Amino acid sequence: ELKVEQNPLFLSMQEGKNYTIYCNYSTTSDRLYWYRQDPGKSLESLFVLLSNGAVKQEGRLMASLDTKARLSTLHITAAVHDLSATYFCAVDVASGSRLTFGEGTQLTVNP
Amino acid sequence: DVKVTQSSRYLVKRTGEKVFLECVQDMDHENMFWYRQDPGLGLRLIYFSYDVKMKEKGDIPEGYSVSREKKERFSLILESASTNQTSMYLCASRYSGAGYEQYFGPGTRLTVT
Repeated sequence: ELKVEQNPLFLSMQEGKNYTIYCNYSTTSDRLYWYRQDPGKSLESLFVLLSNGAVKQEGRLMASLDTKARLSTLHITAAVHDLSATYFCAVDVASGSRLTFGEGTQLTVNP
Repeated sequence: DVKVTQSSRYLVKRTGEKVFLECVQDMDHENMFWYRQDPGLGLRLIYFSYDVKMKEKGDIPEGYSVSREKKERFSLILESASTNQTSMYLCASRYSGAGYEQYFGPGTRLTVT
């Protein structure tokens, strides 16, 4: 059974600081997805990573994938309050199958 | 732009009522999914469908059923609503090929009293 674990689950950081969220998964896969969820809202796709060594960047967020280590990271650079949200990673192991989601990391950026 | 819509944003029902939650996607996606989301429990898959009239149980199917008569529409049915089914329900869809992301609807917050 595929397990996806994120850490930390809760992250409180100051504006301007850098931090990394980790996503570990238990079965071989080269397809990993990051989502953002604002309070009371639905999930919005952030990044799709489809190969070992894939790196994607959007603004202050950068995601990478190491399929050998079964690890993805979401790096936050110079955090701003608008990044406060819950971030989920998700993995699939077969074409078109269901995604398995991590528990989510609730990020709070304080002024 | 992909659009996944859900019939209601907020719904209040009484215990024992039959409840229908509807989801429609406009991108010809083969796969559709129903999740529920509760604080501290993350996203839990209730049912999914990979084709018209096809369905698979997810992790928590008890108390729910689904219907997919047309490709674009996937319905979640609570046969007899109970208070422990009070939750946020999220519908999603995606193509069946490798590496396609999943798109989510806006969610339905269901309260069963």
